[in-house]
Amino acid sequence: AQSVAQPEDQVNVAEGNPLTVKCTYSVSGNPYLFWYVQYPNRGLQFLLKYITGDNLVKGSYGFEAEFNKSQTSFHLKKPSALVSDSALYFCAVRAFSGGYNKLIFGAGTRLAVHP
Amino acid sequence: GAVVSQHPSWVICKSGTSVKIECRSLDFQATTMFWYRQFPKQSLMLMATSNEGSKATYEQGVEKDKFLINHASLTLSTLTVTSAHPEDSSFYICSARDRGQSSYEQYFGPGTRLTVT
Repeated sequence: AQSVAQPEDQVNVAEGNPLTVKCTYSVSGNPYLFWYVQYPNRGLQFLLKYITGDNLVKGSYGFEAEFNKSQTSFHLKKPSALVSDSALYFCAVRAFSGGYNKLIFGAGTRLAVHP
Repeated sequence: GAVVSQHPSWVICKSGTSVKIECRSLDFQATTMFWYRQFPKQSLMLMATSNEGSKATYEQGVEKDKFLINHASLTLSTLTVTSAHPEDSSFYICSARDRGQSSYEQYFGPGTRLTVT
């Protein structure tokens, strides 16, 4: 079955420290992977994607993610967290199901950055 | 670029009435639009996929007669919640795929919060 797992409901980090939000996936074929961020009562904002090429992908707001094929992971990282990074983060993978492509989302991880 | 708007941003309606939510791609053409539902503190659940000029494809368990989707043009899709009930209260988010892109990136609208009283 095609799926995305975000094992942590919440990640707490102090401002200025590095952060990691974990994501693992299960999909047939080459994965197209995405990270989105959601602020309260708002839609999703695109952060970054991996389609092909370098395993380390750089995205918006200083975020980056590393694609690891052997571990089927696509963890989101940032070297120095900001309080304003506090939000809900979703990992997603493209999946072919029911005759067409669609995105499958993880359950989401709430990031809390403390001053 | 790649902006998707939704209208209204929030709506309150009485039980038994119908509500229409619009999703527009403002600066690109979207052959495919998606409708999601999100419950508090939960992930997005894909409800249906709509392609311009054809019938929407609904996910398993989603009532097509209750959630009517119309994709009349390359920039507009509508979701109508018919005979709404309190359990339909939720956050509805649409997204659109740019027909000019091949990476399957979706652009999301800001969401519509529906409250049925």
